Amino acid sequence: DTGVSQDPRHKITKRGQNVTFRCDPISEHNRLYWYRQTLGQGPEFLTYFQNEAQLEKSRLLSDRFSAERPKGSFSTLEIQRTEQGDSAMYLCASSLLAGVQETQYFGPGTRLLVL
Amino acid sequence: LAKTTQPISMDSYEGQEVNITCSHNNIATNDYITWYQQFPSQGPRFIIQGYKTKVTNEVASLFIPADRKSSTLSLPRVSLSDTAVYYCLVGDLNDMRFGAGTRLTVKP
Repeated sequence: DTGVSQDPRHKITKRGQNVTFRCDPISEHNRLYWYRQTLGQGPEFLTYFQNEAQLEKSRLLSDRFSAERPKGSFSTLEIQRTEQGDSAMYLCASSLLAGVQETQYFGPGTRLLVL
Repeated sequence: LAKTTQPISMDSYEGQEVNITCSHNNIATNDYITWYQQFPSQGPRFIIQGYKTKVTNEVASLFIPADRKSSTLSLPRVSLSDTAVYYCLVGDLNDMRFGAGTRLTVKP
């Protein structure tokens, strides 16, 4: 257990529905990242926050994807109008940036299945 | 972000030392090298990170030659539970790009 938690761990939804995932980072960490991972591939970076500021979002997969981190604590990732191609594991990671060195700690992931 | 190249898969036997090498020819001056381990249906787990020469912790060692264009993760005396995918990452953690990793299979 890295101290990063994600909820839910599994989500089954029907195509066209909206889903929201939550990530609670390690409490003193100022950075929070979201990734997507499909079967047999490495994690794919989506977006990240430093405190409450979203510093990179150009790699969110489409405008159906959005993320928030109110108050710089937990974060949510929302997928609107889900498609079958959205089925994947969604991973969250947090880190404490110290100078140029940083180590990301990953949560257990949320596995999404879109029917 | 420096591109990395790793073997797709490796096999080993229990009790052996395993060395996984990662090539990163375009590594930048400020880049660190980080290795992660991932089991099925779990998030990646940090193993070790280094900048140059040798780094050792309780689970692995990381060897980085002077030119830093490659690195080798060394796992001493592997067990069946070390069967996993191992990822090498280099560079800016604002732009982490995982490759497909190296799938290590440890056999009895």
